Amino acid sequence: AQTVTQSQPEMSVQEAETVTLSCTYDTSESNYYLFWYKQPPSRQMILVIRQEAYKQQNATENRFSVNFQKAAKSFSLKISDSQLGDTAMYFCAFMKGGSSNTGKLIFGQGTTLQVKP
Amino acid sequence: DAGVTQSPTHLIKTRGQQVTLRCSPKSGHDTVSWYQQALGQGPQFIFQYYEEEERQRGNFPDRFSGHQFPNYSSELNVNALLLGDSALYLCASSQTGGVDQPQHFGDGTRLSIL
Repeated sequence: AQTVTQSQPEMSVQEAETVTLSCTYDTSESNYYLFWYKQPPSRQMILVIRQEAYKQQNATENRFSVNFQKAAKSFSLKISDSQLGDTAMYFCAFMKGGSSNTGKLIFGQGTTLQVKP
Repeated sequence: DAGVTQSPTHLIKTRGQQVTLRCSPKSGHDTVSWYQQALGQGPQFIFQYYEEEERQRGNFPDRFSGHQFPNYSSELNVNALLLGDSALYLCASSQTGGVDQPQHFGDGTRLSIL
């Protein structure tokens, strides 16, 4: 069974600074995908960034980047130049890939990030 | 282009009652997944529907059932409601084959059990 663990329930950062959210996972699968989702207080879950396990290069989306350490089963999210609109709950998620892929997401417990002015 | 829409937004029920939640997928999407999100927790996968069939199921009792209609919309039914069923229920839609077409989530239905 796959598990996803986020060990930081809450974090805060000053506007314009950089923050890193941690995520570890456990799986015996070799083909899988990892995601970071953002859930603002308005509730809608929004995809922030995605990483394919077979790619060594870390994914980047504007101010968001990941540090994917496959051997350590670690997948952290770095937010640069934090903005007030980044305030939200962030979820790390896992999905099997290849022929095992059915689109089922396994989420971590979430990290609440507050960006302070 | 309408995204994933869920109804109702908020529902209050009492223990033992039954409830039906509804989801319309994003245009062009044919797969619908349902998740339960308890307060302060990450979403838990309930089940997924594709071609009007339940394709995969999470660790939820048979009190949780669903349906997908020919227009790809879906319903989640929960019978014999328990206090522990209080949660935000999220619907997510995607195109067949999933990962390259990311899942889009609705705003959810907040279910409160008294």
